[in-house]
Amino acid sequence: GQQLNQSPQSMFIQEGEDVSMNCTSSSIFNTWLWYKQDPGEGPVLLIALYKAGELTSNGRLTAQFGITRKDSFLNISASIPSDVGIYFCAGQSPMGGSQGNLIFGKGTKLSVKP
Amino acid sequence: DGGITQSPKYLFRKEGQNVTLSCEQNLNHDAMYWYRQDPGQGLRLIYYSQIVNDFQKGDIAEGYSVSREKKESFPLTVTSAQKNPTAFYLCASSPPRTSGRSYNEQFFGPGTRLTVL
Repeated sequence: GQQLNQSPQSMFIQEGEDVSMNCTSSSIFNTWLWYKQDPGEGPVLLIALYKAGELTSNGRLTAQFGITRKDSFLNISASIPSDVGIYFCAGQSPMGGSQGNLIFGKGTKLSVKP
Repeated sequence: DGGITQSPKYLFRKEGQNVTLSCEQNLNHDAMYWYRQDPGQGLRLIYYSQIVNDFQKGDIAEGYSVSREKKESFPLTVTSAQKNPTAFYLCASSPPRTSGRSYNEQFFGPGTRLTVL
């Protein structure tokens, strides 16, 4: 089945640093979504991307839909402590039925640098 | 306020007992979903429903059952046949197709943490 590879698995941030993470797929998607999950809570939608090459911002967050339609990137600029959490990418296949549902990456865990 | 609610937040059950997790939404969304999340894992789809009185198995449906008698409600039953039921369960919903491309966006409830003793 389709799989999403999300990297890095985890990273430490120091306040003020920029952060980058990405997701890659073995097949094309027609939608990319980025979510953030705080401990013990449900994921919250941050950014939705619908077109290859699309670049969308939400405050300090910027995400891009890769030209090949097989990848997506999320950047966080000037990180702050409340950015800590787990970030998930999710892609939707252009195929129908259950395969048209979202497929999730395993997440990138952001922690504060000790 | 519109949103998705899941109850209870924490649930403890003895091994061999069935348990039902509640999910309600007042967003007028047609589609609803149940996911399971294990530590260090992404979300895995258990069941989904695109309209009332219809639902489909996801990737890990074995040991689970659902019903969709009302648009607003999509309860999940974890049966004794589920071999490893301890996990964090997330319910989600998405807007109707008439909403345009945001139909693809799923919105999540706060989750229920189930622990089987």
